[in-house]
Amino acid sequence: ETGVTQSPTHLIKTRGQQVTLRCSSQSGHNTVSWYQQALGQGPQFIFQYYREEENGRGNFPPRFSGLQFPNYSSELNVNALELDDSALYLCASSLSTSGGYNEQFFGPGTRLTVL
Amino acid sequence: AQSVTQPDIHITVSEGASLELRCNYSYGATPYLFWYVQSPGQGLQLLLKYFSGDTLVQGIKGFEAEFKRSQSSFNLRKPSVHWSDAAEYFCAVGGMNRDDKIIFGKGTRLHILP
Repeated sequence: ETGVTQSPTHLIKTRGQQVTLRCSSQSGHNTVSWYQQALGQGPQFIFQYYREEENGRGNFPPRFSGLQFPNYSSELNVNALELDDSALYLCASSLSTSGGYNEQFFGPGTRLTVL
Repeated sequence: AQSVTQPDIHITVSEGASLELRCNYSYGATPYLFWYVQSPGQGLQLLLKYFSGDTLVQGIKGFEAEFKRSQSSFNLRKPSVHWSDAAEYFCAVGGMNRDDKIIFGKGTRLHILP
């Protein structure tokens, strides 16, 4: 158990809809990263939030957006869903300090299916 | 370009046999290297990581990995596998800065024969 939780566990949406996925980080962690893991692939970095500000983004379009809140929770929002958005979405929390790498702790993921 | 290659999509070994999972990376700067394991319905669990120093890294669950800079490799090994080791294994590379993203390989699914 990493102490990182995600909701919902599974979600089914139709093309064109919007979806919000939620993540609860470990208490005290100031950084959350989101990843998309398509079937048979490794996780791909979507973006990272540090102290409620976006702090790096992967190769994903603007319809993927996020929020990080002071209470260690965060959201991933996806607008105008496409079939290819079907994937496992993972969040990972970490405590970032002034330098060096800090271990990311992953949640169990949300399985999104777009029909 | 930054990338991670795991050349084996599936590997099958007998319980009690030794295991080696291959990983090659391409990264412009000094990399951080990781191995993660993912069981069905679970998130990613960190097995071990390499930042610097001794090139043979010990991890959890009896796993170890060896960093070979000349070969750009970071292979994962275990001397004797258990049925509970059946899972998907991901090699990953990252940078030293906080905003450096982690790049994952496509994974190797490990099957264990009784």
